[in-house]
Amino acid sequence: EAQVTQNPRYLITVTGKKLTVTCSQNMNHEYMSWYRQDPGLGLRQIYYSMNVEVTDKGDVPEGYKVSRKEKRNFPLILESPSPNQTSLYFCASSFGAGGTQYFGPGTRLLVL
Amino acid sequence: AQSVTQPDIHITVSEGASLELRCNYSYGATPYLFWYVQSPGQGLQLLLKYFSGDTLVQGIKGFEAEFKRSQSSFNLRKPSVHWSDAAEYFCAVGALTGTASKLTFGTGTRLQVTL
Repeated sequence: EAQVTQNPRYLITVTGKKLTVTCSQNMNHEYMSWYRQDPGLGLRQIYYSMNVEVTDKGDVPEGYKVSRKEKRNFPLILESPSPNQTSLYFCASSFGAGGTQYFGPGTRLLVL
Repeated sequence: AQSVTQPDIHITVSEGASLELRCNYSYGATPYLFWYVQSPGQGLQLLLKYFSGDTLVQGIKGFEAEFKRSQSSFNLRKPSVHWSDAAEYFCAVGALTGTASKLTFGTGTRLQVTL
C-alpha cells in the first residue's frame, strides 16, 4: 500500500531534550516536506527536500533540522525543543515539487 | 511572496444544501492551486488541484472548484452537502521557481453540517 509513515505518532518530551521524528514513504517520490499545524494558523512549511541531499527552508525553519540521505526517508530533528514547538507535525511527499502531496498521519508533539 | 486567504473560519450548512468555501490567493505568476480536506484526527487528503487548462476542476466526493484569475480566487463548491463532509478544508497555493518549491496553506475553514 502506498503510504507515508511517521513515527512516533505521539510524543511528550521536556525542553532541551533532542528528538527525531521519522518520515518514510514507499512511493519513490523525489519531493518531501515537513509542516506544522497550529490552531488558527493552518499548515506552515518547515523544510522541504527536492531530492537526496537537497534540502531547503520553508516558512518556519527556526529550531528544526532535516536530512535526506535516502530517497525514502526525511527525518525532522529538534536539537533543543522548546514549548513553542508543541504542535501537530505532518510529513508529505510527491513526485516532484508541483505534484500532488501525500500526507502522513501526523505526529502530535508536546514539549513541557 | 505567495499567500492564501480563507476568509471564513467556520461555516455551518444543512445537509442537502449547497456549499461554497472561499479561497483567495496572492502570487505573481500562474499558481498551482489545491484543496485539501482534513477529517478530525486525520491527515490531509487531496480533493482537487488546478495546474493549467480548464478553469473548472472536478475533484473527489462531488467537489469542484473554479479558478478565476481576475479575482485571484479558487472557490470550492459542492451542490449538495452530506453529513460526512463535516471537516476542515484547506486551500493551498504552490509555487515552483527553478529549484525551489513552496506550498503555502490557508488557515482553513471548518465545515459543520446540521441534519
